[in-house]
Amino acid sequence: EPEVTQTPSHQVTQMGQEVILRCVPISNHLYFYWYRQILGQKVEFLVSFYNNEISEKSEIFDDQFSVERPDGSNFTLKIRSTKLEDSAMYFCASSEMSSGTQYFGPGTRLLVL
Amino acid sequence: QKEVEQNSGPLSVPEGAIASLNCTYSDRGSQSFFWYRQYSGKSPELIMSIYSNGDKEDGRFTAQLNKASQYVSLLIRDSQPSDSATYLCALSGNQFYFGTGTSLTVIP
Repeated sequence: EPEVTQTPSHQVTQMGQEVILRCVPISNHLYFYWYRQILGQKVEFLVSFYNNEISEKSEIFDDQFSVERPDGSNFTLKIRSTKLEDSAMYFCASSEMSSGTQYFGPGTRLLVL
Repeated sequence: QKEVEQNSGPLSVPEGAIASLNCTYSDRGSQSFFWYRQYSGKSPELIMSIYSNGDKEDGRFTAQLNKASQYVSLLIRDSQPSDSATYLCALSGNQFYFGTGTSLTVIP
């Protein structure tokens, strides 16, 4: 069964460093998403991506964040200068249609020290 | 105003009972509704989607949607200890909005 994959599973970084989180969406899906979940809190939407551009983004997705689809399979989230409050689980998701079911990857747990 | 509201629980039911989870939403234009289950430290996994008013059944799970009253619910029949998790209500509008989740514990 096709699934969304994410790497790395865990990332520890120093405050101010750049991190890149990677995702491989399900192959026939066209819509890609990033979410974050701070420990004990709800899943929060960051950004959606379609046709090589951002279609929606939340207030959380400020200038320190960027997304890219560098090739036909990977979808990345870059955090330029990490802050302590960026520590969270980051989930990638993909869907076939814009309002269709989203399938989530296993997540990357980011810890900023 | 929160887009999606859920009772955070915790909700405890004995094994074999019916668990009832509820969710209300604010955007009348929402068309697609989803229930996800999330085990601690894991990613959300889809249980059911529902798009039209009424009930939709899938095994032990029944989703109910009432667009006029802006609520969606999930019933879990014959609850099992393995159903113990956080249940997330989500809807698709301009963004995909998740509720805060309801923690369910099924007591053996």
